[in-house]
Amino acid sequence: GAVVSQHPSWVICKSGTSVKIECRSLDFQATTMFWYRQFPKQSLMLMATSNEGSKATYEQGVEKDKFLINHASLTLSTLTVTSAHPEDSSFYICSAPRLAGGYEQFFGPGTRLTVL
Amino acid sequence: RKEVEQDPGPFNVPEGATVAFNCTYSNSASQSFFWYRQDCRKEPKLLMSVYSSGNEDGRFTAQLNRASQYISLLIRDSKLSDSATYLCVVNRGNQFYFGTGTSLTVIP
Repeated sequence: GAVVSQHPSWVICKSGTSVKIECRSLDFQATTMFWYRQFPKQSLMLMATSNEGSKATYEQGVEKDKFLINHASLTLSTLTVTSAHPEDSSFYICSAPRLAGGYEQFFGPGTRLTVL
Repeated sequence: RKEVEQDPGPFNVPEGATVAFNCTYSNSASQSFFWYRQDCRKEPKLLMSVYSSGNEDGRFTAQLNRASQYISLLIRDSKLSDSATYLCVVNRGNQFYFGTGTSLTVIP
């Protein structure tokens, strides 16, 4: 079964609104989670690393004031797309590493965001 | 230099063909290596971990070459259902580094 969940699975919103996406690790704790964005027919692009109890680390070119990340607990990270615009429409995926022998990365099912 | 480099393809191969993907990594301290498969509009899912001794799972063989710092994935007797994007992932400590993914289309 799924070990990482994401909510909502899809969302449609008007331009200018903010959208919050939740990523939860199920049955394990994740001090670190990762957020990605994927445009159609393009590869997964790492946006930021979410760290429990401290600030997220953003990849170059990703606006931290636009993509707010909060790692509130050991099982929950949230990504808020603030003042969303149509160009923010994308597939947002999170992942969390779980220690099982070595670390294995588990991906959430993704959230499809459409901004009208 | 990127942590992980991968040929994005696309690779278009006929059914039954053998196809191989390589992925290079820049940091020799990297510890764990994985191949993920991503279908269109879905999240990546683990295909197989890659061990120093090499490992095989049915038609899939993964190998790690630490000296040359690359991992490979070999798919034998390609099936139509193998069409997907194959992503290599490298782990070092609590950090993960992703290749851009290699697109494979198996043609009837």
